[in-house]
Amino acid sequence: EAGVAQSPRYKIIEKRQSVAFWCNPISGHATLYWYQQILGQGPKLLIQFQNNGVVDDSQLPKDRFSAERLKGVDSTLKIQPAKLEDSAVYLCASSPLGEANEKLFFGSGTQLSVL
Amino acid sequence: LAKTTQPISMDSYEGQEVNITCSHNNIATNDYITWYQQFPSQGPRFIIQGYKTKVTNEVASLFIPADRKSSTLSLPRVSLSDTAVYYCLVGTYKYIFGTGTRLKVLA
Repeated sequence: EAGVAQSPRYKIIEKRQSVAFWCNPISGHATLYWYQQILGQGPKLLIQFQNNGVVDDSQLPKDRFSAERLKGVDSTLKIQPAKLEDSAVYLCASSPLGEANEKLFFGSGTQLSVL
Repeated sequence: LAKTTQPISMDSYEGQEVNITCSHNNIATNDYITWYQQFPSQGPRFIIQGYKTKVTNEVASLFIPADRKSSTLSLPRVSLSDTAVYYCLVGTYKYIFGTGTRLKVLA
């Protein structure tokens, strides 16, 4: 079974530039999550999708971050414009149904460095 | 959401049993306890989940006392490859990752 795919693996940009990350969840998984993990910290949930609808985006800095999952399959997360503090690993995860206590499957993440 | 507290770091030697305890005093009735493992440059990976008493799988055991205010992840006979960060999560639909416990296994 293929896992959660993310690209690119690494990205280096300068502050005020834009960047986009792509995620393809495990086939058939209805729920998709984007997490931000700053060095030395645990992952922080940015946004959760159930199919193509947003379930929770309370922690997403909406003035600069946006995410979409138009067809309920793959998803993109965009930052525009980037700030130095956005340097982090961006992790995508998926789960089958979004039901209580489901196991999350994570991708390897995109490491973003903002200079 | 229940807050969790776990040691920041632990060292162990190969072949030893490692126990990592997590405190979650305000766990809700419907909350499960879930542990994830994260290696450098990888996303977290599910290890084990439980509600009460003891759960065991091929990787670890999870001990949960009757009051469910804490839980202990037990890793039998660790090897160097078990060096990782271990996260304890408590919740039903939404999970908050803390800073985790950095386990270092020494030869």
